[in-house]
Amino acid sequence: AQSVTQLGSHVSVSEGALVLLRCNYSSSVPPYLFWYVQYPNQGLQLLLKYTTGATLVKGINGFEAEFKKSETSFHLTKPSAHMSDAAEYFCAVSNGGSNYKLTFGKGTLLTVNP
Amino acid sequence: DADVTQTPRNRITKTGKRIMLECSQTKGHDRMYWYRQDPGLGLRLIYYSFDVKDINKGEISDGYSVSRQAQAKFSLSLESAIPNQTALYFCATSDTGASNTGELFFGEGSRLTVL
Repeated sequence: AQSVTQLGSHVSVSEGALVLLRCNYSSSVPPYLFWYVQYPNQGLQLLLKYTTGATLVKGINGFEAEFKKSETSFHLTKPSAHMSDAAEYFCAVSNGGSNYKLTFGKGTLLTVNP
Repeated sequence: DADVTQTPRNRITKTGKRIMLECSQTKGHDRMYWYRQDPGLGLRLIYYSFDVKDINKGEISDGYSVSRQAQAKFSLSLESAIPNQTALYFCATSDTGASNTGELFFGEGSRLTVL
């Protein structure tokens, strides 16, 4: 079975500060990893994903994440927060194969203070 | 127009009523999913379908049923709605093939309130 743990249900940063959202996963097979973002009153939008290859993955809006197998982590970062980054962020893991399904973490709400 | 369309976007109903949430997609994907989102619980899988003749239960299927009417259409029904089914419901699709990673494409959600 696969699972995702997002550390911190709510993270608050100042505008211009570093954003760090933590995600740890459990998977019995090499995982595919995702970060999705949900802006208020909207659906989920893919921010970035790791499949194979380079472990540092760049996404939209200046976000990036690094796959660290030894730490079973896939933390999301952005060097400088903008007010428009305020949203809920979900980490997810897929087990791959022919019957893959995504398992989501419980989400982290990011607040950006002026 | 959105690739994954959900109707209705908002619905208020009473306990015991039958409710249907509909999802249609223009992405040409074979796989469709229904998720439920609750504050602090993330997204939980209700049902999923890998093709028109395939229906599978997710982790929280009790109290729900689904119908895959066509490749592009997947509906979720609550036969007798109860207040703890108040939530935001998402339909999603994914592609198939050797290069597929399980990435999901979401609709904008259907907010259901059961009084």
